[in-house]
Order: sequence, then C-alpha cells, then structure tokens
Amino acid sequence: AQSVTQLDSHVSVSEGTPVLLRCNYSSSYSPSLFWYVQHPNKGLQLLLKYTSAATLVKGINGFEAEFKKSETSFHLTKPSAHMSDAAEYFCVVTREGGRRALTFGSGTRLQVQP
Amino acid sequence: DVKVTQSSRYLVKRTGEKVFLECVQDMDHENMFWYRQDPGLGLRLIYFSYDVKMKEKGDIPEGYSVSREKKERFSLILESASTNQTSMYLCASSSPGAGSTGELFFGEGSRLTVL
Repeated sequence: AQSVTQLDSHVSVSEGTPVLLRCNYSSSYSPSLFWYVQHPNKGLQLLLKYTSAATLVKGINGFEAEFKKSETSFHLTKPSAHMSDAAEYFCVVTREGGRRALTFGSGTRLQVQP
Repeated sequence: DVKVTQSSRYLVKRTGEKVFLECVQDMDHENMFWYRQDPGLGLRLIYFSYDVKMKEKGDIPEGYSVSREKKERFSLILESASTNQTSMYLCASSSPGAGSTGELFFGEGSRLTVL
C-alpha cells in the first residue's frame, strides 16, 4: 500500500534562507506525487506535482521538488524563504486502484522568522 | 477556475444529533471526496465517489455515510454525532479523465464542533 512520511512536523527558518521540507514515500507502483500548501484559515492549494515527466518539478512561488526514485523521496525546496511562505505543507501520493484518491502526509508547519 | 463550495464553514452540534455536510462542485468532475483534517494527522480519507450513486469507503468510514444523488453534489452524513468527530471536514473533487494527474480541488472546509 502507498504511504507518505513527512520527516519534520515543524520547520523554522529565517527570512531569506533556504527551505527544505522532507518527504519520503512508499508505493508498489509508479505514483504521482504532489505538494499542497495550506495558509492559516485558507483552503488547500496545489503547489506542484510530479507525474513521471521531468524529475525536477517547479511549482508556484519559487518552490520546487525533486523526485528521486532510488531514495523514494520528494523533498520540497525553495532558495530563499519569504514571510508569506509560513503555512502548513502536505506531501501527497496517489493511491493504487485507479480511483484517483490521494493519501496525505501528516504535514509540516513552516515558520519563517524575520 | 474550479469551485468547490461547502455550505457551512462552522457548525456546532450536540452529541447524538444527525449532521449533514454539503459540498457542490461546478466543474463537472466525476470524482468527489470527503477528508477530515486533524492536527498532526494530516488529511484522512473518509469516503469518495467516482460516479452518481457510487461510493467507496476510505480509511476512516466508521460513523459516517455519504450520498451522491447528483454529479455536482456530495453529502457527508454523521448519523449520530460524537465528540470524537469534532474536526475540520474538507470536500474535494477531481477528474479521472485521460491525461488527468489526479489533482484535487478543495473547498474551504467545514469546522464541526460536537458538544
């Protein structure tokens, strides 16, 4: 069965420094992978998605993620954090069975310090 | 843009009450989902539907049921609300068509408190 593990529940960075949010997945097939972001009191928004094309995926707001099959990882990065990046981030994998349901990680809360 | 609308943003109910959470999407999507979100647990799938009158259990269906009488509307029902069902409930939709990546489009959520 598929699963995702977000390795950090909280990450704190200073504004202008790099962001790394870690995600490992487990799947018996070739999944699609996503990162979603949820700002306080807002709905979930798609940040980026990997669908077996290029392994380095660029998303909105300067975020990117690299799919590494050998490491079963899909870490999210950004070169320089902005205060507006403070939010909760979810790593997500497609489920097997073709019904397009998604399995979510437990989330990483990103704090950005001035 | 896809719009997924959840009719109630905040609800307060008593233990034992029957609760209906309504969700409507306007993009003609075949798939609709109900998740609940709890701190430290991420989103957990309750039920989903891939066609009118069709439904499948997710990971935590106990205590819930669903109804999909029309393609655009997917309802979550708590037959007898309990305090452990206090949570944020998120509805989502997607298209399973050729070329679809499975991206979900979410509503803003319904925060339910059961007293």
